[in-house]
Amino acid sequence: ILNVEQSPQSLHVQEGDSTNFTCSFPSSNFYALHWYRWETAKSPEALFVMTLNGDEKKKGRISATLNTKEGYSYLYIKGSQPEDSATYLCAFPAGKSTFGDGTTLTVKP
Amino acid sequence: NAGVTQTPKFQVLKTGQSMTLQCAQDMNHEYMSWYRQDPGMGLRLIHYSVGAGITDQGEVPNGYNVSRSTTEDFPLRLLSAAPSQTSVYFCASTPGPNQPQHFGDGTRLSIL
Repeated sequence: ILNVEQSPQSLHVQEGDSTNFTCSFPSSNFYALHWYRWETAKSPEALFVMTLNGDEKKKGRISATLNTKEGYSYLYIKGSQPEDSATYLCAFPAGKSTFGDGTTLTVKP
Repeated sequence: NAGVTQTPKFQVLKTGQSMTLQCAQDMNHEYMSWYRQDPGMGLRLIHYSVGAGITDQGEVPNGYNVSRSTTEDFPLRLLSAAPSQTSVYFCASTPGPNQPQHFGDGTRLSIL
């Protein structure tokens, strides 16, 4: 099972701040990387599927980049809003899909 | 579209009891997985399946059994419940390894 590490573990920002966090993974045998958003008392929901080195995906104020050669992906949130408060997970694909422990973002009004 | 359905949503067991957590998906997905979520530990893979009749162990398989007799269903069995198995359990499915997973709503299990 491939290990995925996320940092920081938690982040507290003010409304309007931009922020980013990191997912690190072994660079060998790369298939794809998934980002998920997980709100309290709900289930994880997919944000992005990253497959190619240099990939950049965007959904509204949230974007992600991928560097498979050095083994990391960044998730960016521009102008954070309270509704962005959630845990953001990255994962390697199923079957033995390994999740990082996540970065928990809290956005204060 | 029901997606991934888990039952029950909540369950309290006594130590030593056995039970089966049900998971069903109606999307004809080949891959299905079971995870447990403990405070501060994220999602840990228990067992997974890449198709009917095929299952394999994840990171934390001890104390759990699975089977996959149909594409739709992937039940998780606790053989003899222990307090350490108190957790929230999530079932997920996906069409293939490069597609994101769809999660059920979770089962909150407490073992006394």
